[in-house]
Amino acid sequence: DTGVSQNPRHKITKRGQNVTFRCDPISEHNRLYWYRQTLGQGPEFLTYFQNEAQLEKSRLLSDRFSAERPKGSFSTLEIQRTEQGDSAMYLCASNLPETQGNEQFFGPGTRLTVL
Amino acid sequence: SQKIEQNSEALNIQEGKTATLTCNYTNYSPAYLQWYRQDPGRGPVFLLLIRENEKEKRKERLKVTFDTTLKQSLFHITASQPADSATYLCALDMDTGRRALTFGSGTRLQVQP
Repeated sequence: DTGVSQNPRHKITKRGQNVTFRCDPISEHNRLYWYRQTLGQGPEFLTYFQNEAQLEKSRLLSDRFSAERPKGSFSTLEIQRTEQGDSAMYLCASNLPETQGNEQFFGPGTRLTVL
Repeated sequence: SQKIEQNSEALNIQEGKTATLTCNYTNYSPAYLQWYRQDPGRGPVFLLLIRENEKEKRKERLKVTFDTTLKQSLFHITASQPADSATYLCALDMDTGRRALTFGSGTRLQVQP
């Protein structure tokens, strides 16, 4: 399967713990996006990478959040000192807008529950 | 302020009828508008993209219109089927550097057999 994959699919953690999520994009895609989605809402942009460079971060991304894409392939999103308000679905998407248009390919998401 | 509005109430229709979903926006100037389908517990799946200079786009049973004067897009599913039941999200694409999408909150469509 050559789609976008995310791990884990579900994560339950206690408030104050750190969590890390992984996203494996479609291999030839140079752009990778992280979004957050809460119940009844659409996805909200968090950050994006062009190859290994993180080019923009949303104001939603507090300093407890950090994302990396070390070799321009997979990406990780870490949340430190989790809060109950961090409970959401975290979605990763990838694309190659220069040649394929801006259609984005989403992974299945990681659902985070902070107790 | 900037807003994207989709009907938050679920749309219930009978199988075989045409479903019409609305996306209205204010204080945005998108170069493109995209529609995605999302099933419970899954990521969104791309359906259609329409450019600001296009009035209408079709793909099989799907049709999208884009009126930049009214700041509105309509999404139609003809001959609807129970398998079309899902949440449909519109997304604005500003065609600026990051090309991240700005999503509406979605409309849940339920097609009754």
